[in-house]
Amino acid sequence: DQQVKQNSPSLSVQEGRISILNCDYTNSMFDYFLWYKKYPAEGPTFLISISSIKDKNEDGRFTVFLNKSAKHLSLHIVPSQPGDSAVYFCAAAIHAGGTSYGKLTFGQGTILTVHP
Amino acid sequence: SQTIHQWPATLVQPVGSPLSLECTVEGTSNPNLYWYRQAAGRGLQLLFYSVGIGQISSEVPQNLSASRPQDRQFILSSKKLLLSDSGFYLCAWNRFRGLFTEAFFGQGTRLTVV
Repeated sequence: DQQVKQNSPSLSVQEGRISILNCDYTNSMFDYFLWYKKYPAEGPTFLISISSIKDKNEDGRFTVFLNKSAKHLSLHIVPSQPGDSAVYFCAAAIHAGGTSYGKLTFGQGTILTVHP
Repeated sequence: SQTIHQWPATLVQPVGSPLSLECTVEGTSNPNLYWYRQAAGRGLQLLFYSVGIGQISSEVPQNLSASRPQDRQFILSSKKLLLSDSGFYLCAWNRFRGLFTEAFFGQGTRLTVV
């Protein structure tokens, strides 16, 4: 059962334009969401996160939007740069207290290609 | 600052051979440690996590096992590898920020079972 889904395996955008990566989840217990960026043969690196008490979090060119009623989040990259080309994973977690132990549930990833 | 080391970077092993992947964390004590696997064309799947020395929890039934002999050391093992064990293995530790968590990953090990 895939609790976190990224339905677009790939996305191609022109440099300078907006990249929008989408993620859907099914488990209503998730209350914290993260985006990771991964280059080939490297471990993922943390990009940005959002808790369920917010609907938007912004960090430079990266903005994450959360729509709890739709169980949907998205990552916006503006403007997109060729160096942003990578695989982007969304991840979800239940808050660190209790028995969640910080476990993350990941989506399948979306390959972003930014063309010069 | 905290760092996480994982080795080897790549590994090619024959079917039926044993496996040992090692991960160590520096700059933190009593971290929660995790092993994830990324199979070809798929997302990251949590295999094991550990909240302390000797404490291992398995998330999915499989041919692998994990051990935590020291506070900052996490080992992934197999007695006999299967072709389906091929994948990209990632070790991670968590930094808890208030109620929430942020995972930091090692560089990964590309395992090919032939």
